[in-house]
Amino acid sequence: GENVEQHPSTLSVQEGDSAVIKCTYSDSASNYFPWYKQELGKRPQLIIDIRSNVGEKKDQRIAVTLNKTAKHFSLHITETQPEDSAVYFCAASKGTGANNLFFGTGTRLTVIP
Amino acid sequence: NAGVTQTPKFRVLKTGQSMTLLCAQDMNHEYMYWYRQDPGMGLRLIHYSVGEGTTAKGEVPDGYNVSRLKKQNFLLGLESAAPSQTSVYFCASSYRINQPQHFGDGTRLSIL
Repeated sequence: GENVEQHPSTLSVQEGDSAVIKCTYSDSASNYFPWYKQELGKRPQLIIDIRSNVGEKKDQRIAVTLNKTAKHFSLHITETQPEDSAVYFCAASKGTGANNLFFGTGTRLTVIP
Repeated sequence: NAGVTQTPKFRVLKTGQSMTLLCAQDMNHEYMYWYRQDPGMGLRLIHYSVGEGTTAKGEVPDGYNVSRLKKQNFLLGLESAAPSQTSVYFCASSYRINQPQHFGDGTRLSIL
């Protein structure tokens, strides 16, 4: 099956700085890459996703980049705010069967005011 | 519009007991999923369903069974609970393949 690795496991940044989280995947057939944010004790919530026919996607302060050749994708958060503090998960899917998502192990982001 | 609703929210079981977790969605989604979340391991797929009356195994299906008798409901059963099944269980649904998955609030299950 797919193997998704996520780094770093923890990340602390000063408010206003940028944060970058990186993921690699093993299966070159994967074509859908969502990112989820999970606040403490809450459900995971989709914040952005990208498909393999696109190299970059932005939504306000959040952007995701995809390098299919290298099989890695990254989440970029600019102008970080304390409310960005959470655990972020990347995931990958081939889009076959049941859209099985394989998740990374998560990055705990702390934004220091 | 409630989205994905899971019941119960918390439960404590003794080893060997059985229970059923219920997931209900009101978004008319075809696909439904059960995940477990353990510290440092992210979310792992237990079982999934691609439509009413269908079920299939995910990454970690052993010790669990599921049923999808109605499109809006997806049940996860533990026949004989073991301490290794202590976890937070999330249900999710999506409209179709490679579409965003919407998660419920989770069920925190402890097995003593």
